[in-house]
Amino acid sequence: GQNIDQPTEMTATEGAIVQINCTYQTSGFNGLFWYQQHAGEAPTFLSYNVLDGLEEKGRFSSFLSRSKGYSYLLLKELQMKDSASYLCAVINSNYQLIWGAGTKLIIKP
Amino acid sequence: DAMVIQNPRYQVTQFGKPVTLSCSQTLNHNVMYWYQQKSSQAPKLLFHYYDKDFNNEADTPDNFQSRRPNTSFCFLDIRSPGLGDAAMYLCATSREGGTGGSPLHFGNGTRLTVT
Repeated sequence: GQNIDQPTEMTATEGAIVQINCTYQTSGFNGLFWYQQHAGEAPTFLSYNVLDGLEEKGRFSSFLSRSKGYSYLLLKELQMKDSASYLCAVINSNYQLIWGAGTKLIIKP
Repeated sequence: DAMVIQNPRYQVTQFGKPVTLSCSQTLNHNVMYWYQQKSSQAPKLLFHYYDKDFNNEADTPDNFQSRRPNTSFCFLDIRSPGLGDAAMYLCATSREGGTGGSPLHFGNGTRLTVT
C-alpha cells in the first residue's frame, strides 16, 4: 500500500518555531508538496520539494530526504493566523498525488 | 486575478435528490480534478480530466458523475445523494497533471449537506 504519516495535531506558542514531520511510503517518488488548509476552506500551496535539502520561503521552510522517505515543514515566528491544518502530499511513480490526512496546528498566545 | 471558482459555497440537498456542483477556472489549465474531503481526512480523488480525457478512480461510486464541456468548466453530478456523501467537495486545476512540480490550485470548495 501507499501511505503518508503525519501527526494528527500539534500545539505551539505564538512567536515560536514548530516543525511538522511527514513520512511516506509510496510506489516511487516524483515530488512532495505541502499545503495549508484553514478550517472550512480549500488547501493552498505552500512548497514543493523534489531534490534533497531545504527550500526556504519566508517564514516557512520545507526539507526533504528521499533516502529516508521523510520531509518536514518548519514554521518560524508563528502567528495566530498560522493556526490551520498542514497537508503533505507525494507524487508517486504513476504521477498520482497521495495525500496525508494533515496535521492540525493550534497556536496559543 | 486568475482563479478557480466553485458554486455554490454551501449546498443542501435531500436524500436521493440529484445535485450538481460547478467549477470554473480562468487559469487555462489542462487538468481539472474533483476531490471529496471529510472532516480531518485527506482529500480523496474522485476523478480528473486531462483536457477532455476522463479518468475515473477505481473506488469512485457510480453515483458520482462528471462533465467537462470545455476547458473552463467542470461539473460534479451526484445522482442519488446519501447521508454518507455529506462532505466538502473540492475542485482543483493544474497545468501538467502533477508532473514537474505543477501544484494544484483549489477552488473554495462546496460544502454539501444531505438531509
